[in-house]
Amino acid sequence: SYELTQPPSVSVSPGQTASITCSGDKLGDNYVCWYQQKPGQSPVLIIYQDTKRPSGIPERFSGSNSGNTATLTISGTQAMDEADYYCQAWDGFTVVFGGGTKLTVL
Amino acid sequence: EVQLVESGGNLVQPGGSLRLSCVASGFTFSSYWMHWVRQAPGKGLVWVSRINSDGSTTSYADSVKGRFTISRDNAKNTLSLQMNSLRAGDTAVYYCARYIAAHEFDYWGQGTLVTVSS
Repeated sequence: SYELTQPPSVSVSPGQTASITCSGDKLGDNYVCWYQQKPGQSPVLIIYQDTKRPSGIPERFSGSNSGNTATLTISGTQAMDEADYYCQAWDGFTVVFGGGTKLTVL
Repeated sequence: EVQLVESGGNLVQPGGSLRLSCVASGFTFSSYWMHWVRQAPGKGLVWVSRINSDGSTTSYADSVKGRFTISRDNAKNTLSLQMNSLRAGDTAVYYCARYIAAHEFDYWGQGTLVTVSS
């Protein structure tokens, strides 16, 4: 089965840029999306079709996808961005999620 | 406003059954594929099942195949998940989610907790 691999944790200082990667075989051939999930809340779609932001998502969130790696970038990270982040793709048969990355802003 | 409201979660003994429901509002429910995604305590998101817009096609994760059944009633804007032969490993918050064109979920319910324990 298709697997997406994320680092378990990423730390960033306020105002700095955070990058969270998502790796999978030929991932660049598929669309990737990203979700943000804060404790006790449901996931929220923050990036879809590799690079697009839904309405209401701040511009500091951006995405890219090429080769075997997709990347979520948070520019000017704020304390409110501390959360779990999940990548997700479609492998042609089913939905696949990455294991999630806990972003700590310290 | 799009809303997805799950219900039906509860404490159930191993081997027991439970039926989850997800009531949709604020959009044309019959036009969208719908999915169930679960999240065990402290763990990540895991896809469970999907159903197409008219209910004619379903798919399941291997871990639940043969035990869970997804269905929908478009007249009542309701998505369901019948869960049988429940195991401790099925303990999780279960989310229903709306699935859109490029294979992403744009709206999620608040989740309902299923606990399988004796």
